[in-house]
Amino acid sequence: DSGVTQTPKHLITATGQRVTLRCSPRSGDLSVYWYQQSLDQGLQFLIQYYNGEERAKGNILERFSAQQFPDLHSELNLSSLELGDSALYFCASSSSGAGEQYFGPGTRLTVT
Amino acid sequence: AQSVAQPEDQVNVAEGNPLTVKCTYSVSGNPYLFWYVQYPNRGLQFLLKYITGDNLVKGSYGFEAEFNKSQTSFHLKKPSALVSDSALYFCAVRGFGGFKTIFGAGTRLFVKA
Repeated sequence: DSGVTQTPKHLITATGQRVTLRCSPRSGDLSVYWYQQSLDQGLQFLIQYYNGEERAKGNILERFSAQQFPDLHSELNLSSLELGDSALYFCASSSSGAGEQYFGPGTRLTVT
Repeated sequence: AQSVAQPEDQVNVAEGNPLTVKCTYSVSGNPYLFWYVQYPNRGLQFLLKYITGDNLVKGSYGFEAEFNKSQTSFHLKKPSALVSDSALYFCAVRGFGGFKTIFGAGTRLFVKA
């Protein structure tokens, strides 16, 4: 158990809908990262937050947004969902900028 | 721009034999290098990292990795493979002072009994 929790574990929704994925980092970790893993794209970095502020951005679509709250949990919002958004979404946390990341179990999103 | 390459999609090895999973990287300045493992339907697990110091880094489950600056490589090794080592392995790199960690495409390790 990495100490990172993600909810929900599975999510099935229809195209055009909006969903929110939630992540709680390990106790004491200030950095939260979001990744998308699909079969054909591998592990894609989406966005990183550090103590509530956006720190780095990757290949995140404009339909996606994220935030980190004062209690350090983070949410990833996906809107106007398309079939191609079906993937595993991972959250990770780390204690410092240089440190290793600890990954949650992921949320499997299926868009039908 | 930083990048990382894992040239092999899959590595096959017999149980008890040594294994190597290759990784090369490109980054400005000194790199932070990481290896992670992913078992089916699980999140990635941290194995080991290189920040500075000794070029041979030891990690979890008997794995080690060798940093080679001249060849910009960070190959993962284990002296004696176990069937339970079969999984997907990711190499990752981050530039010194940078914030973004880039992951390789992953190498699937298959250890045959």
